[in-house]
Amino acid sequence: QLQLQESGPGLVRPSDTLSLTCTVSGASIVSTTNYWGWIRQTPGKGLQWLGSIYFSGLAYYNPSLRSRLTMSVDTSQNHLFLTLSSVTAADTAIYYCVRDLWGSGESFDYWGRGTVVTVTS
Amino acid sequence: EILLTQSPATLSSSPGERVTLSCRASQSVGSDLAWYQQRPGQAPRLLIYGASTRAAGISARFTGSGSGTDFTLTISSLEPEDFALYHCQLRSSWPPMYTFGQGTRLDFK
Repeated sequence: QLQLQESGPGLVRPSDTLSLTCTVSGASIVSTTNYWGWIRQTPGKGLQWLGSIYFSGLAYYNPSLRSRLTMSVDTSQNHLFLTLSSVTAADTAIYYCVRDLWGSGESFDYWGRGTVVTVTS
Repeated sequence: EILLTQSPATLSSSPGERVTLSCRASQSVGSDLAWYQQRPGQAPRLLIYGASTRAAGISARFTGSGSGTDFTLTISSLEPEDFALYHCQLRSSWPPMYTFGQGTRLDFK
């Protein structure tokens, strides 16, 4: 059974860089049939897609965050990574790691439990 | 960027009743629309993709329909566990990105 587990610092200071890791188990991220993505959820703005990445490193980013966002993969460890620079209070959210059926379903069929990130001084 | 508008924001109903949730896109998206259910404290769960295809393990009480700009999710004969937050989502070709609606909360009348 595919499982995704996010991990991160919990608290981040304004203007710092947020770094999150997603550990994928039960399947290899080296898959030709899907991408892997990150989505966040805030009470005020609902769900927001951040970006999706293929095992090769090809990534698509939300245009509104592209200048601050970087995604990467480690196929040897089955890990996904997200970094978001120059964070502000608006980046406070629950961050989810997901399997993205880009090109085969245009939806997200597996979700991690999410990790809470709070931006505070 | 294509926008998604869900209505109503909140819908009150009772177990056993049938409800219909709406999702409207600001421009045509073909059939690339999905629906999710989110219970309190949980991650969203995929219900419907391709506008009308139920995801694995999803009850036949959930039916998605529509194409172009107007989509609906119908839940027949509500069960207590169906009272939750529902999101719609699309993928646009250009810019290549996903967008979510703001959600419809289904609660007990």
